[in-house]
Amino acid sequence: KAGVTQTPRYLIKTRGQQVTLSCSPISGHRSVSWYQQTPGQGLQFLFEYFSETQRNKGNFPGRFSGRQFSNSRSEMNVSTLELGDSALYLCASSLAGSNVLTFGAGSRLTVL
Amino acid sequence: DQQVKQNSPSLSVQEGRISILNCDYTNSMFDYFLWYKKYPAEGPTFLISISSIKDKNEDGRFTVFLNKSAKHLSLHIVPSQPGDSAVYFCAASASGANSKLTFGKGITLSVRP
Repeated sequence: KAGVTQTPRYLIKTRGQQVTLSCSPISGHRSVSWYQQTPGQGLQFLFEYFSETQRNKGNFPGRFSGRQFSNSRSEMNVSTLELGDSALYLCASSLAGSNVLTFGAGSRLTVL
Repeated sequence: DQQVKQNSPSLSVQEGRISILNCDYTNSMFDYFLWYKKYPAEGPTFLISISSIKDKNEDGRFTVFLNKSAKHLSLHIVPSQPGDSAVYFCAASASGANSKLTFGKGITLSVRP
């Protein structure tokens, strides 16, 4: 079955712009989590959605937001981009009640 | 505050030898632990996990050991193969439907032929 699909894979933006990243989870997975990976910082938790509700939120400023649709697809948005937002943004999905996340390949964001 | 710590950023081992990757945690509420492997340009893939009710879990060449009193876990790879060269992330979660995975910073493993 198809894995977690993230689009776009690569994108370049300039400071002050905003960006929207998309994630399609594995069919049947209703939980979607987002993580930011930067060099030397590992995977930092952004937020988790389940049945269109945000269940958990990490320690990121309000410029980072997300949502989940009724088909479990999710989007995250970053407004007023800063240079430090350059990172790999990873989406992961899981079955309800499972601790095992399945990750997509990520969206590589570069902010110039 | 880093609740999951992988203090060694890199490890290099000879092919065929054992690789031991260490991970420490500080949150005593964590009761489920996972290891993920990540190749460049790919997302992390699940490798092996262990519940706090166990102290060892084995899957082929991969074994995870958990020492709850020391809040320490380790991943053993025996024998190591060049294809094991990747970044390895340790992750932990606490019980509860709303629990999230907390990851360490990762260890880059290089297996020399």
